[in-house]
Amino acid sequence: GENVEQHPSTLSVQEGDSAVIKCTYSDSASNYFPWYKQELGKRPQLIIDIRSNVGEKKDQRIAVTLNKTAKHFSLHITETQPEDSAVYFCAAKHTGRRALTFGSGTRLQVQP
Amino acid sequence: ETGVTQTPRHLVMGMTNKKSLKCEQHLGHNAMYWYKQSAKKPLELMFVYSLEERVENNSVPSRFSPECPNSSHLFLHLHTLQPEDSALYLCASSQEALAGETQYFGPGTRLLVL
Repeated sequence: GENVEQHPSTLSVQEGDSAVIKCTYSDSASNYFPWYKQELGKRPQLIIDIRSNVGEKKDQRIAVTLNKTAKHFSLHITETQPEDSAVYFCAAKHTGRRALTFGSGTRLQVQP
Repeated sequence: ETGVTQTPRHLVMGMTNKKSLKCEQHLGHNAMYWYKQSAKKPLELMFVYSLEERVENNSVPSRFSPECPNSSHLFLHLHTLQPEDSALYLCASSQEALAGETQYFGPGTRLLVL
């Protein structure tokens, strides 16, 4: 089955700096890669996703890149703000499977 | 947010109790999921229902019993749980389970087994 590894497990940045979180996946058939943000005590919420037919997707300060050859994808947050502090989860899935496989999460702390 | 709701939000139970978790989605989706979230662990998929039929059971102990009476409701029946079952139980829903569509999560039920 699919295995998703996520690094780092914790990340601390200064407000205004960029943050990068990386994930690798094992199943080359995976074709859908969402990123979820989970604030303390709240539900995971989708912030951006990418499908395997594109290499990059951007939404304001958030971007995701995908390297299918190397089987890794990354989340980039620019101009970080204190409200970006949360746990971020990557996930992977292929069309033949119904559920997502999640990474172990990255706790991002943005220092004001 | 009212797309996916879960009750109760918190639950404390003894190992001999029987309780049920409830999930309801108001998004018109046709797939629903149960996940377990423990401290310092990835989200673990427990069950998947598509069109009210259980299509995936991820090696979950029989003390967890899911039920999906219709496409909007999902239950997780609990009996004779162990302390290590204490966790946040998250329900999610999506449209077209096979197509990789966005999963929307409920707020979760935080369960403590004494």
